[in-house]
Amino acid sequence: NAGVTQTPKFRVLKTGQSMTLLCAQDMNHEYMYWYRQDPGMGLRLIHYSVGEGTTAKGEVPDGYNVSRLKKQNFLLGLESAAPSQTSVYFCASGSPNTGELFFGEGSRLTVL
Amino acid sequence: GENVEQHPSTLSVQEGDSAVIKCTYSDSASNYFPWYKQELGKRPQLIIDIRSNVGEKKDQRIAVTLNKTAKHFSLHITETQPEDSAVYFCAASIRYGGATNKLIFGTGTLLAVQP
Repeated sequence: NAGVTQTPKFRVLKTGQSMTLLCAQDMNHEYMYWYRQDPGMGLRLIHYSVGEGTTAKGEVPDGYNVSRLKKQNFLLGLESAAPSQTSVYFCASGSPNTGELFFGEGSRLTVL
Repeated sequence: GENVEQHPSTLSVQEGDSAVIKCTYSDSASNYFPWYKQELGKRPQLIIDIRSNVGEKKDQRIAVTLNKTAKHFSLHITETQPEDSAVYFCAASIRYGGATNKLIFGTGTLLAVQP
């Protein structure tokens, strides 16, 4: 049981490049989330999904897109990376039956 | 939308002392309040949570209290140990029919327990 897995774990981009972060969970959870973590800012919700084929905006959605084509996967895309998107990104998943979120190990993204 | 404020941002205590972290939330419809602990370089993990139909919940050295009228909730750690050193996050969400939707986090508290 791997839990929540994020790939890649590290990535360096140049301004204007695009990339996709992949989150996969093997717990059959309905809900999946993408957060970014910056010093002094805590965990800020980017986008989330309450089921396959559905997505919703969080607190800081601008500059990001997401897709949930399969229940176990939640993709976070950056179409044109900016230095302000340098951050650690965490994916999480959860069940409707409990409130607990299970987080991945994080992906450190640097945009130069 | 929901906003969660957390204080203090840093907290240093002596081993064996108690630590208290406080949070306030803005949306009166919020009914679920978890606390997460994040050790350095690790992922956040749930340590305790409370629902709005309960005023207090305790799990060994950790307790959480909720004041719905004032819209604030607190984490209490007693008999602190060096392994309690970490960043602690509070969060709030609205649960519809048992389902958790978006979870909004506070900005975190760095707790340092001095041996």
